[in-house]
Amino acid sequence: GAVVSQHPSRVICKSGTSVKIECRSLDFQATTMFWYRQFPKQSLMLMATSNEGSKATYEQGVEKDKFLINHASLTLSTLTVTSAHPEDSSFYICSASPSGAGGRYNEQFFGPGTRLTVL
Amino acid sequence: DAKTTQPPSMDCAEGRAANLPCNHSTISGNEYVYWYRQIHSQGPQYIIHGLKNNETNEMASLIITEDRKSSTLILPHATLRDTAVYYCIVRVPGNTPLVFGKGTRLSVIA
Repeated sequence: GAVVSQHPSRVICKSGTSVKIECRSLDFQATTMFWYRQFPKQSLMLMATSNEGSKATYEQGVEKDKFLINHASLTLSTLTVTSAHPEDSSFYICSASPSGAGGRYNEQFFGPGTRLTVL
Repeated sequence: DAKTTQPPSMDCAEGRAANLPCNHSTISGNEYVYWYRQIHSQGPQYIIHGLKNNETNEMASLIITEDRKSSTLILPHATLRDTAVYYCIVRVPGNTPLVFGKGTRLSVIA
């Protein structure tokens, strides 16, 4: 249980195009999901907090107009990288905690990541 | 910023116990200690968490000092598949993000 999936796992796109990455909690509901990115040989950096039914909260230095986040349901959040450029090439990872108290509420589960390469 | 300090790397012989230390001297009373690991090119994997008591599960044991300023993750019988970057994170449970530091790169050697 407590599985988070991401799609696609890898994407290569041309500079200037937009790319959408999906994050799904497969067997639990999550009112909050988180988006991270990871550059080679570096740690994960939090980009934004995705809240179901409301606007995302972005970390300082993350452009909200460039990284569009939509959390349309309790099991799906999407990250759209708009007008992607080579410097946006990175490993994007989402995570989620099961809603509600008790059980695995204290844990946070990660997706397998999406590797974006912008040419 | 991460509130934990970990050694950048460690080696462990296959079959031996791997003891990974973590300092979190500024931990607050309501913050838990979490351990995750990340195998190359994968998402982080939850290992274990605790507040003040020692914890054990099928993957590892977590030993937290009485003053809660440090902890040790123990993998009792390390295998080659345990080679990964291990992250120690302090966090209030719930809908709060995990803030990752640099972690410890554990290499299990045959």
